[in-house]
Amino acid sequence: AQKITQTQPGMFVQEKEAVTLDCTYDTSDPSYGLFWYKQPSSGEMIFLIYQGSYDQQNATEGRYSLNFQKARKSANLVISASQLGDSAMYFCAMREGGNTPLVFGKGTRLSVIA
Amino acid sequence: NAGVTQTPKFQVLKTGQSMTLQCAQDMNHEYMSWYRQDPGMGLRLIHYSVGAGITDQGEVPNGYNVSRSTTEDFPLRLLSAAPSQTSVYFCASSSPSGGAPHTEAFFGQGTRLTVV
Repeated sequence: AQKITQTQPGMFVQEKEAVTLDCTYDTSDPSYGLFWYKQPSSGEMIFLIYQGSYDQQNATEGRYSLNFQKARKSANLVISASQLGDSAMYFCAMREGGNTPLVFGKGTRLSVIA
Repeated sequence: NAGVTQTPKFQVLKTGQSMTLQCAQDMNHEYMSWYRQDPGMGLRLIHYSVGAGITDQGEVPNGYNVSRSTTEDFPLRLLSAAPSQTSVYFCASSSPSGGAPHTEAFFGQGTRLTVV
């Protein structure tokens, strides 16, 4: 069963606008972590933001915030004030508690338009 | 501050050849893993290791072998390369403490492998 679902293969956003990238997950473990990574065209994987299942507040890192809705099992990434350099693939990932591996969604390609 | 180092960056193999993709980390991380990335498929887990001497299979292990004799190194071996193994391979390491899930994975730069 797919544990991480990203339903948007591609997204366009105007420069300086905000954009939300969707991610839903499936787990029965009460302890888990959710991650977002950015992969620019150069290919490296860049960690953006983390949300723990027990965290009371939504995570924020600069222009990135994570809209965590636990009951809906969603962990959407919000990028505010989009920049041309935000054009990239974005991956949502989850790790359950214990020594379990990081599982990725299929990704969303974001294109920022000037 | 090297982090996770993968070699080679690019490789072309003929069908049936074998090779080893190298991965080394200098962060004393317990946890290491190998992923392959194919268009539209995201990153799929091949094998992972929770410490020296311990390995386990991921989602797509067939055709690949791993071993973990040291904390630092986690090589991935292709036994008999097939065109279906053409992909970008990423090695990652992390250090989940006490089983807590919160530690992010650090990735190598990737190896682009083409099997002809």
